[in-house]
Amino acid sequence: DVKVTQSSRYLVKRTGEKVFLECVQDMDHENMFWYRQDPGLGLRLIYFSYDVKMKEKGDIPEGYSVSREKKERFSLILESASTNQTSMYLCASSSQTGLSYEQYFGPGTRLTVT
Amino acid sequence: QKEVEQDPGPLSVPEGAIVSLNCTYSNSAFQYFMWYRQYSRKGPELLMYTYSSGNKEDGRFTAQVDKSSKYISLFIRDSQPSDSATYLCAMSANDYKLSFGAGTTVTVRA
Repeated sequence: DVKVTQSSRYLVKRTGEKVFLECVQDMDHENMFWYRQDPGLGLRLIYFSYDVKMKEKGDIPEGYSVSREKKERFSLILESASTNQTSMYLCASSSQTGLSYEQYFGPGTRLTVT
Repeated sequence: QKEVEQDPGPLSVPEGAIVSLNCTYSNSAFQYFMWYRQYSRKGPELLMYTYSSGNKEDGRFTAQVDKSSKYISLFIRDSQPSDSATYLCAMSANDYKLSFGAGTTVTVRA
């Protein structure tokens, strides 16, 4: 069973803080993704990575950065949190062979920035 | 205009009813079409996928794709309370990046 875990289910941070969201997958997947999910907007891709130390911007990368030092771990960093970054953050992974469009998601981190 | 538009719902139906969910899209490069199901406080999970146009059936679920109209549908027959969830359509061209609809929340009343 593929498992994608995220470091926190709920997080409350203050404006201006640096925030780290961690994601770990145990299926040796090459691809990893960070999305945010907001009501009425669905899932929007922030960044993705197709290999260690490789990253590409998604649709809404502003205000975020990522780090992938190991294949199983993908971190999302909010350099200076703002209230408009209050959202549900979902991490996902997928393989580059077989059904590469089948993404496996973690349970999400609900981040509140006050 | 969003690349993928999905009927926002919410939908509330009695147990046993047919649930119909729809998405339209604008990118003619999309070839892979998926439906993800998301239960409350969980991440989405893949429910069905279809390559190009056509129908696909899996138990009580049927996915339809009409590329000429840029329109996809998911039908749930004999709906059950356990089908209560948010359903997200997703699409992809030739790579592994997905474009998602906003999701439709479905409640099946016992």
